Amino acid sequence: GDSVTQMEGPVTLSEEAFLTINCTYTATGYPSLFWYVQYPGEGLQLLLKATKADDKGSNKGFEATYRKETTSFHLEKGSVQVSDSAVYFCALIHNNDMRFGAGTRLTVKP
Amino acid sequence: SQTIHQWPATLVQPVGSPLSLECTVEGTSNPNLYWYRQAAGRGLQLLFYSVGIGQISSEVPQNLSASRPQDRQFILSSKKLLLSDSGFYLCAWSVSSADTQYFGPGTRLTVL
Repeated sequence: GDSVTQMEGPVTLSEEAFLTINCTYTATGYPSLFWYVQYPGEGLQLLLKATKADDKGSNKGFEATYRKETTSFHLEKGSVQVSDSAVYFCALIHNNDMRFGAGTRLTVKP
Repeated sequence: SQTIHQWPATLVQPVGSPLSLECTVEGTSNPNLYWYRQAAGRGLQLLFYSVGIGQISSEVPQNLSASRPQDRQFILSSKKLLLSDSGFYLCAWSVSSADTQYFGPGTRLTVL
């Protein structure tokens, strides 16, 4: 079945460092891909999405590009802030079924 | 715009007591509705989803149940809570099964 694999955390960075959180998926066809962010004690917020190959989703300085050839949707940000500390979930929807990765905890230190 | 509410925000219940968590959506009609559970430090587990009033699908066997008495209301219940029911419960909605899911603020349940 369809699945999402994302890099295990936790990830700890200094403020203004470059962030990459890897996400790869397994699915036949063309799923829609998502990144969600969960701040402490809160629900999941949609961060960005891409619905077809080579699409780039972007929001709040975060970016991810839908790479069909590598079945990947890596999350990147050029300069992280302390306020970006959260858990990040990669997810896909395919054939009306949504799958989430296990989540990656990011801590940004001042 | 659409908003999703969950009530209560936090709940502490003794083992064996009943449970009722409520989720309501505003600003849309006939949404798909979902209940997820997130155990401490773990990912999301889909518990139930509903595509319409009175239509509930269960993803995992458990002592929880769900109901959808109104178009934009989704309720998660239990007759007798277990310690293992502790967790963070998230409700979500979408326009259809193929569309983006939007999450509520969650309910933190602690069973003692």
